Amino acid sequence: SAVISQKPSRDICQRGTSLTIQCQVDSQVTMMFWYRQQPGQSLTLIATANQGSEATYESGFVIDKFPISRPNLTFSTLTVSNMSPEDSSIYLCSVEEGSYNEQFFGPGTRLTVL
Amino acid sequence: AQSVSQHNHHVILSEAASLELGCNYSYGGTVNLFWYVQYPGQHLQLLLKYFSGDPLVKGIKGFEAEFIKSKFSFNLRKPSVQWSDTAEYFCAVKGMDSSYKLIFGSGTRLLVRP
Repeated sequence: SAVISQKPSRDICQRGTSLTIQCQVDSQVTMMFWYRQQPGQSLTLIATANQGSEATYESGFVIDKFPISRPNLTFSTLTVSNMSPEDSSIYLCSVEEGSYNEQFFGPGTRLTVL
Repeated sequence: AQSVSQHNHHVILSEAASLELGCNYSYGGTVNLFWYVQYPGQHLQLLLKYFSGDPLVKGIKGFEAEFIKSKFSFNLRKPSVQWSDTAEYFCAVKGMDSSYKLIFGSGTRLLVRP
């Protein structure tokens, strides 16, 4: 399976600032996904990022708050903009690969907003 | 829209006890089914998957799951749990007919007492 890395692994940020999370994959993948896991909760899909096209956002998530870039087939970034304490979560990058489109996850970025 | 229900939010077992975690989904078409596990302090890992064929699938570490189409269920089982199975378990469903999204259940926290 693909090896997925994320930077930073964790961060503590001030309210009103923005943080960009990077996701790097060791192989070329068509579809990349960004998820949020709030404390004690399950995973919620934020958006799907395909290379060469605009990201597709799920209900409740908007581009102004969570802009995503996908410049090539191995890399993506998610920015959490104008942060508030409610944005404190683990943000996970995921990729789909294999003949059965299995989905694999990165280690996550633990964000705390003060 | 597809959805996933995990009935047990917290399960506490003694070592060597048998485990069964319930998972039911709502989706009218063809599905791929997954169980993911998140050990304390570790990232999400794929435990097992069902795509087609034999409805009884075997995963890592002695886990298995049975897909019962008529009941829209994909319960996870292990005959004898170990302390090292302490983790959070997530059932996930991907609808293959029109939606490529992987939807997660709320998760089950399993504590195995030595």
